[in-house]
Amino acid sequence: KAGVTQTPRYLIKTRGQQVTLSCSPISGHRSVSWYQQTPGQGLQFLFEYFSETQRNKGNFPGRFSGRQFSNSRSEMNVSTLELGDSALYLCASSLEVGQPQHFGDGTRLSIL
Amino acid sequence: KQEVTQIPAALSVPEGENLVLNCSFTDSAIYNLQWFRQDPGKGLTSLLLIQSSQREQTSGRLNASLDKSSGRSTLYIAASQPGDSATYLCAGRFSGSARQLTFGSGTQLTVLP
Repeated sequence: KAGVTQTPRYLIKTRGQQVTLSCSPISGHRSVSWYQQTPGQGLQFLFEYFSETQRNKGNFPGRFSGRQFSNSRSEMNVSTLELGDSALYLCASSLEVGQPQHFGDGTRLSIL
Repeated sequence: KQEVTQIPAALSVPEGENLVLNCSFTDSAIYNLQWFRQDPGKGLTSLLLIQSSQREQTSGRLNASLDKSSGRSTLYIAASQPGDSATYLCAGRFSGSARQLTFGSGTQLTVLP
């Protein structure tokens, strides 16, 4: 059974650009969550989607957005990139909201 | 606001030693607690999940406990091996936070051969 797949693995952008990251959950999982991991702040929750609806949202500015498709695949978008957005972005899927989460290997985003 | 704390930030032990990793949380209204392992440059691997109604969970050489009244969880690793070297994170879901995971900052474990 394939795990959570995140693409791309690495990404380099410059300030002011926007970026879209993709996450394919484990087959049958309907909940997808996104996290930002930085050395200074650790792992912080961004948002969670279930059945194409955002169920929870963390304390991030509106530049961070996401969506989920009917096949449960999810994308997150960050607009007007800032240097502080450099981080490892992790996606996790679970069968339902509140169930154990399974993580992908993340997308390493570097802002120059 | 729920907070999850892990101390120490780093730990080195010789191979074969039994060890305990600590996790504390401020909100006793915990829904469940999950322990993860993270290898460098990788995502998180789920190790154990303890529901609020449970006291402990075991998987192989790993045993995790949960004490809601004291706001503590421990991860016990028996007979440690160099392959256990990684960062271990605990994360709690709390009843008042719409069940999102709140992570600790992790303990970086090094098992010396």
